[in-house]
Amino acid sequence: SAVISQKPSRDICQRGTSLTIQCQVDSQVTMMFWYRQQPGQSLTLIATANQGSEATYESGFVIDKFPISRPNLTFSTLTVSNMSPEDSSIYLCSVGVAVSTDTQYFGPGTRLTVL
Amino acid sequence: QKEVEQDPGPLSVPEGAIVSLNCTYSNSAFQYFMWYRQYSRKGPELLMYTYSSGNKEDGRFTAQVDKSSKYISLFIRDSQPSDSATYLCAMHFSGGADGLTFGKGTHLIIQP
Repeated sequence: SAVISQKPSRDICQRGTSLTIQCQVDSQVTMMFWYRQQPGQSLTLIATANQGSEATYESGFVIDKFPISRPNLTFSTLTVSNMSPEDSSIYLCSVGVAVSTDTQYFGPGTRLTVL
Repeated sequence: QKEVEQDPGPLSVPEGAIVSLNCTYSNSAFQYFMWYRQYSRKGPELLMYTYSSGNKEDGRFTAQVDKSSKYISLFIRDSQPSDSATYLCAMHFSGGADGLTFGKGTHLIIQP
């Protein structure tokens, strides 16, 4: 497994602002993913963070709203842009540690509240 | 119809009981199946991972996959109050480069 940390752990933000969430892994990993967990809902994949290239977004998520960076194999950021109360959620990064990424391990999450 | 169905509960059982948690799925292309445990205000923790149909045991936990019925289960024996958490089933396709598809999670309460 891998040790994954996220910053910040929680934040309260105003409508219209942006927040950047950091994900740090203690070892190099091939695959990193970003998920959203809304109250009472499943974890939903936002995008795959690709090292050295643009992230791959799932249907319903766009780069302008959720820009992602992955400058190296241990670090990624997710920005939630122009926030609205509907963006209030828990944001989680995960990593696949094996070559085949059959399993994924999750960070502790960032709890975001937008007023 | 959602891809993965999971009863959100809450499911409340007495300490020591056998717990059965279940998920059904609609896409037969799913090949890998996982169970995660999530405590309040924490990230999901991987409990069990299975690939083929059949049973896989790890301590008090048994994961069961029936691909023909598109049905997976997690059994917890000798349940403890510390098992109280939300249990999430997850699955993905072969190849390894895709994200996971999750059920909504079942909130489990073990009564002392």
